[in-house]
Amino acid sequence: SQTIHQWPATLVQPVGSPLSLECTVEGTSNPNLYWYRQAAGRGLQLLFYSVGIGQISSEVPQNLSASRPQDRQFILSSKKLLLSDSGFYLCAWRQAGTRGDNEQFFGPGTRLTVL
Amino acid sequence: QKEVEQNSGPLSVPEGAIASLNCTYSDRGSQSFFWYRQYSGKSPELIMFIYSNGDKEDGRFTAQLNKASQYVSLLIRDSQPSDSATYLCAVSLDPWAARQLTFGSGTQLTVLP
Repeated sequence: SQTIHQWPATLVQPVGSPLSLECTVEGTSNPNLYWYRQAAGRGLQLLFYSVGIGQISSEVPQNLSASRPQDRQFILSSKKLLLSDSGFYLCAWRQAGTRGDNEQFFGPGTRLTVL
Repeated sequence: QKEVEQNSGPLSVPEGAIASLNCTYSDRGSQSFFWYRQYSGKSPELIMFIYSNGDKEDGRFTAQLNKASQYVSLLIRDSQPSDSATYLCAVSLDPWAARQLTFGSGTQLTVLP
């Protein structure tokens, strides 16, 4: 069966510090991978998605970046965090090449607080 | 104009009642529609998807789609306190595309015992 992991679960960082969040998927190959951010009381905002190693599509111009160094690994990074980067970061995957009726599976999330 | 709109709530219903959650979308070409449930502090989990006009039932949940009115709803029958959560509506313009989903901001539901 497929599982998706995210770490860390929670993170408190000062403004201007770097960020690295990691997501890995097990039990599947060549998945589509996604990074979402959810601000307090808000819906999900798609930040990046990837259809393969090294292939990243950015949805929102900002100080965040994403990388996919391996098939089942997706990393979200920032060189300098802003207060507005606080939120709940969710990684998700879906099986590539399938109709959208198949769901996106979400990881447990990382709660980031920037002080 | 927001692409996917939901009433933020909170919506409160007594235990055993029918909870009705609504969602409208702006792009008439949207093809697939999803309802996710998100408990506080947790990640979303899929409840149902629908892509044909009409009703789709799964246990206590019924999704209703009206493409002419660009409206999708979720009914929860015999609501239980465990149904208290935020319900997210998501829409897919092209179900084969990797980008796939646009989410609404969610409706917070509280079921009162």
